[in-house]
Amino acid sequence: AQSVTQLDSQVPVFEEAPVELRCNYSSSVSVYLFWYVQYPNQGLQLLLKYLSGSTLVKGINGFEAEFNKSQTSFHLRKPSVHISDTAEYFCAHSPQGGSEKLVFGKGTKLTVNP
Amino acid sequence: DAGVIQSPRHEVTEMGQEVTLRCKPISGHDYLFWYRQTMMRGLELLIYFNNNVPIDDSGMPEDRFSAKMPNASFSTLKIQPSEPRDSAVYFCASSSLLDSPLHFGNGTRLTVT
Repeated sequence: AQSVTQLDSQVPVFEEAPVELRCNYSSSVSVYLFWYVQYPNQGLQLLLKYLSGSTLVKGINGFEAEFNKSQTSFHLRKPSVHISDTAEYFCAHSPQGGSEKLVFGKGTKLTVNP
Repeated sequence: DAGVIQSPRHEVTEMGQEVTLRCKPISGHDYLFWYRQTMMRGLELLIYFNNNVPIDDSGMPEDRFSAKMPNASFSTLKIQPSEPRDSAVYFCASSSLLDSPLHFGNGTRLTVT
């Protein structure tokens, strides 16, 4: 079964520090990968997605992710975080590129401290 | 655009009672999804609709759960009878196309005592 694994359930960092949130997927076929963010008491919203093309994907709020097929990874990065980036981040995987079979990871809680 | 609207935001009920969760998708979106979020299992897709027709309900946990979409602007998720293990946050999401991003509502936090 296809799945995504988020290796860290919680990541605390200080403001203005860089951050990397890790995601690995398991699949041997074409993959389509997403990162969603959930702010407290809100629904999820799309940060970025990889469907094809350049392996470095830029998203909203200064986030970017790199698709690495050999390592089956899609890690999310930001060079300098803000307090407002405190949220839960979900990696998701779709075998067909669409929303109908999206499989979400368990999430990584990012806490940015002053 | 008001986004996906869910009601109520919080629901507390006793075991055995019927619970109805409501969702209004974004106007023009043809796909509607119901998800459940728990600490143990994360986000799980329960069911999704295309043009008001249920396409895949394989994620619905059991017969106590049912979902309807009587028209393009309204959907319900019903649990009857409710059980404590149904306690979770239930999200509705919509999208215009299958390859478009999901737009989530703010969720309904259900507590069954």
